[in-house]
This record gives sequence, C-alpha cells and structure tokens, in this order.
Amino acid sequence: LAKTTQPISMDSYEGQEVNITCSHNNIATNDYITWYQQFPSQGPRFIIQGYKTKVTNEVASLFIPADRKSSTLSLPRVSLSDTAVYYCLVGGGGYSTLTFGKGTMLLVSP
Amino acid sequence: KAGVTQTPRYLIKTRGQQVTLSCSPISGHRSVSWYQQTPGQGLQFLFEYFSETQRNKGNFPGRFSGRQFSNSRSEMNVSTLELGDSALYLCASSLGMGASYEQYFGPGTRLTVT
Repeated sequence: LAKTTQPISMDSYEGQEVNITCSHNNIATNDYITWYQQFPSQGPRFIIQGYKTKVTNEVASLFIPADRKSSTLSLPRVSLSDTAVYYCLVGGGGYSTLTFGKGTMLLVSP
Repeated sequence: KAGVTQTPRYLIKTRGQQVTLSCSPISGHRSVSWYQQTPGQGLQFLFEYFSETQRNKGNFPGRFSGRQFSNSRSEMNVSTLELGDSALYLCASSLGMGASYEQYFGPGTRLTVT
C-alpha cells in the first residue's frame, strides 16, 4: 500500500501555472497514479491518471519520473474556479485499498 | 448517463442509534466504494464491493458494515452511532476494482450525530 505525501496548501494567482507534487516512495510495480479534485460539499472528481512519463488531457498534465517515486500535477493558467482540494491517489487494480492522502488545498486569487 | 446518487443527502441521528445509507452507482458499474470524510481525518476508505462481495476493507470498527445487491446498488450501515461518526459519507462507483479505475463519486450523505 503506497502512502502519499503532498503539500498541505498552495497559493497562486489567476493565469499562472500551478505544479503540485506528490511523493510516493513505496509505489508498487502495478500501481497507477491518479489525481482528483474536490470542491466543498461535493465528491472528488477525476482529473488525470498515469503510470509513467507524461500524460496530458484537456485540463491538466501529469509528470512521472522514471523511478515513479513522485509525480507532479500541472494545471496550466489556473482560474478562480480551480480553487479546490487536490488529492493524489496511488494504487493498482484488484485488491488494492483506495487510500487518499490529506490533499493539497489550492487557493487561486485574482 | 446518470451519475452516482446517494440517499438521503442529510441525516441527523442520536448517539446509540443506527443508520443506513444508500448508493446507486452509474449504470454498468460493478464496483462501489464507500468513504468517510471529516475535517480532521480527511477522506478515509471504508470498504469496496464488487459483484455483491466485499473485496477490500479499510481500518474501521465492525460497527461499519455494508452490502451490495445484484443490481450493484449498495447500502452502508453504521450501528451504535457515536458522536465521532458525524461526517460526510461518500460513495463512488467504477467499472472495475481498485485504484486503477476512475472513481465516480456521488454528492455524499451528511450525517450528524447528536
């Protein structure tokens, strides 16, 4: 079971790029890295998932180094509506417990 | 396609009572997971059901139990409620088991124990 460590909070301004790093030193070979976004009083929402190297979709990019012991979620040109808690989740398929870390509270200011 | 639904959305119970929460997954999803979210502990995994069987379980006491029906709908039960059980209970469904599958979360049930 891979434990994750993220910064508790981050601040940014509108239009900036935000990078949130997650450490997962004991990631297993079959583990994937997934990021979720959560707004107050709502359930988390899937952002992006990757296994190695770089993954990009319409809202974010995920960078994973070769040793896979960390990963970085990159949010390009954030807006006020990106203010939320971001969770890094590491785990594989099958009988792997779904463990979310404490998450990173991102505050975007005008 | 309809999302994950949870009922009720809000619930107030008294210490010592029991409560049952319901979750209807997205059509076609066979895995249902339950989470407890509190300000102090964050998002904690309770258990995961797949094909009517509990496949994974988090570190919660036996007062927390659940089940899944043949149509993949799931219920979660908490007996002998304690004040510390006050939390947002989230249900998530996915096509398969485990973290490698995208979890689709419902809006949650806000439980208050007085």
